[in-house]
Amino acid sequence: NAGVTQTPKFQVLKTGQSMTLQCAQDMNHEYMSWYRQDPGMGLRLIHYSVGAGITDQGEVPNGYNVSRSTTEDFPLRLLSAAPSQTSVYFCASKDSGWNEKLFFGSGTQLSVL
Amino acid sequence: DQQVKQNSPSLSVQEGRISILNCDYTNSMFDYFLWYKKYPAEGPTFLISISSIKDKNEDGRFTVFLNKSAKHLSLHIVPSQPGDSAVYFCAISQGGSEKLVFGKGTKLTVNP
Repeated sequence: NAGVTQTPKFQVLKTGQSMTLQCAQDMNHEYMSWYRQDPGMGLRLIHYSVGAGITDQGEVPNGYNVSRSTTEDFPLRLLSAAPSQTSVYFCASKDSGWNEKLFFGSGTQLSVL
Repeated sequence: DQQVKQNSPSLSVQEGRISILNCDYTNSMFDYFLWYKKYPAEGPTFLISISSIKDKNEDGRFTVFLNKSAKHLSLHIVPSQPGDSAVYFCAISQGGSEKLVFGKGTKLTVNP
């Protein structure tokens, strides 16, 4: 069972470039989310989705877009990368319900020059 | 304003002793509390959780305590082992919400 799979693991972008971070889960989870981790800042929620076709903003959504066309996939798009988006990005999923635990992917380390 | 605070960025303990990691929260509506462990270059993994109807939950060497009146959560690891060295995040959800809010983390180092 693969769980939550993120690609790529590493990426270097130039300011202004666009890219998509991929996330797929094979656990049939309705809820999926994206977090970024920065030194001294913990994990901050970017966007989340409670099911296919439904997305909502988290704490730090600016500069990022998401869509949820299938239950399995939840890509994160950077339309015009900025150095402030240099971070480690984690995708996570869980079963529906307020008391379910999140399963995380292994992360994508992104550097924007 | 931070809703979830882990005020100790780091903690160092000797192998075999107790590790106590703390977490404070501001919203009394929070009702489900979790601890995650994160090793370098890996994603966080779930460790233990507790709901607001309890004040203690144990799982082997790990015990989580909840003091609702003080809005305080703690994780006890007894005995601590070198393999426990990691960053520990507390995470909290509010009733009816799917979202988890994380603290900034505490880096635990267990010395042999």
